Amino acid sequence: QVQLQESGPGLVKPSETLSLTCTVSGGSISSYYWSWIRQPAGKGLEWIGRIYTSGSTNYNPSLKSRVTMSVDTSKNQFSLKLSSVTAADTAVYYCARAPVVAAPYWYFDLWGRGTLVTVSS
Amino acid sequence: DIQMTQSPSTLSASVGDRVTITCRASQSISSWLAWYQQKPGKAPKLLIYKASSLESGVPSRFSGSGSGTEFTLTISSLQPDDFATYYCQQYNSYGTFGPGTKVDIK
Repeated sequence: QVQLQESGPGLVKPSETLSLTCTVSGGSISSYYWSWIRQPAGKGLEWIGRIYTSGSTNYNPSLKSRVTMSVDTSKNQFSLKLSSVTAADTAVYYCARAPVVAAPYWYFDLWGRGTLVTVSS
Repeated sequence: DIQMTQSPSTLSASVGDRVTITCRASQSISSWLAWYQQKPGKAPKLLIYKASSLESGVPSRFSGSGSGTEFTLTISSLQPDDFATYYCQQYNSYGTFGPGTKVDIK
């Protein structure tokens, strides 16, 4: 079955750029939307952005100025870059799949296990 | 921005109880609402989409209802595996999650 796996540094210094990759295994990255969602410890979920295999993106307006997402269909991977990080960006980061359905935006039917990223000097 | 609220924030219940969680949107989102279950240290799991559509593989004791601004998630007979935190998410405008409802053992 399809599985998602996040990878990247677990520790990032303040003001630097957080970089994560999600690898899709057991199926094709095509024909779905792919998203990043984060969750600070003990808190709720925040959608960061989404990318389609064409490369088209949508970002959370509150993070838009700092977020860049990309996709590499040859590797079945998509990536997140979040610039100018602060301690407030410390969270578990999940990658997730969103089905392409007739809806304004997206819900998420498959999630990775998540990776903790800590912002600290 | 569409804001989501959930009530209660914590719910204590026993196995076999009927449990209802309410989610409210700050403006109408039609039926563009999903429900997720999350257990400690795990990723959220999709239960319901489009307010009342049951995701494949999810037990039929879970059901969703509502439209517009008020929605409910009902567990008809709480099972030991159901003690978890439940989140609603609107997808009418981007994707905003509710703050969660923790269902714990009474």
